[in-house]
Amino acid sequence: DGGITQSPKYLFRKEGQNVTLSCEQNLNHDAMYWYRQDPGQGLRLIYYSQIVNDFQKGDIAEGYSVSREKKESFPLTVTSAQKNPTAFYLCASIQGGTDEAFFGQGTRLTVV
Amino acid sequence: GDSVTQMEGPVTLSEEAFLTINCTYTATGYPSLFWYVQYPGEGLQLLLKATKADDKGSNKGFEATYRKETTSFHLEKGSVQVSDSAVYFCALSGEEYGNKLVFGAGTILRVKS
Repeated sequence: DGGITQSPKYLFRKEGQNVTLSCEQNLNHDAMYWYRQDPGQGLRLIYYSQIVNDFQKGDIAEGYSVSREKKESFPLTVTSAQKNPTAFYLCASIQGGTDEAFFGQGTRLTVV
Repeated sequence: GDSVTQMEGPVTLSEEAFLTINCTYTATGYPSLFWYVQYPGEGLQLLLKATKADDKGSNKGFEATYRKETTSFHLEKGSVQVSDSAVYFCALSGEEYGNKLVFGAGTILRVKS
């Protein structure tokens, strides 16, 4: 079955650590996105990529980094510069021309 | 200002009640409009969409009509079930926003049996 897989489902980070969230899709979609979800604030765009080897900052990119070396993969690194990283992170992909987004199951990151 | 504005929740209804969740948007062009649903602990799923004015999107008993004159895309269901309890997000996508999805804040729906 085609879809988007995020891992891990739960992740704990110590202060000062970098952590990487995985996002893999087998839908052959060109565009991939990372969103952060906080209670009562909806989804905020962190980074997006519309083609391999290219990506752009979203609305809240500070403290995050991404790469897009393969069409199928769009990992997100939460760096120590992100002061409030505890949140639910969602990865999505969109096939060009349809506007419809497919989401992964999310990763819940907690700072301990 | 906000691009997508949803009514605040939580919305609490009894089973078989009528549901309306209001959504209005700000756009100068002709965006596509969407409703996504998020069940507890999961990602978002597309519920329905409309791509031009007066289009009606429908799925699983839910409906929403693209109203350009009122810049609205209100979600309705005639008879809710406990299994409809979730968070509902209104969203838009269009050239004005770089063809990225822009989400509202989400509305929590709780249905009691």
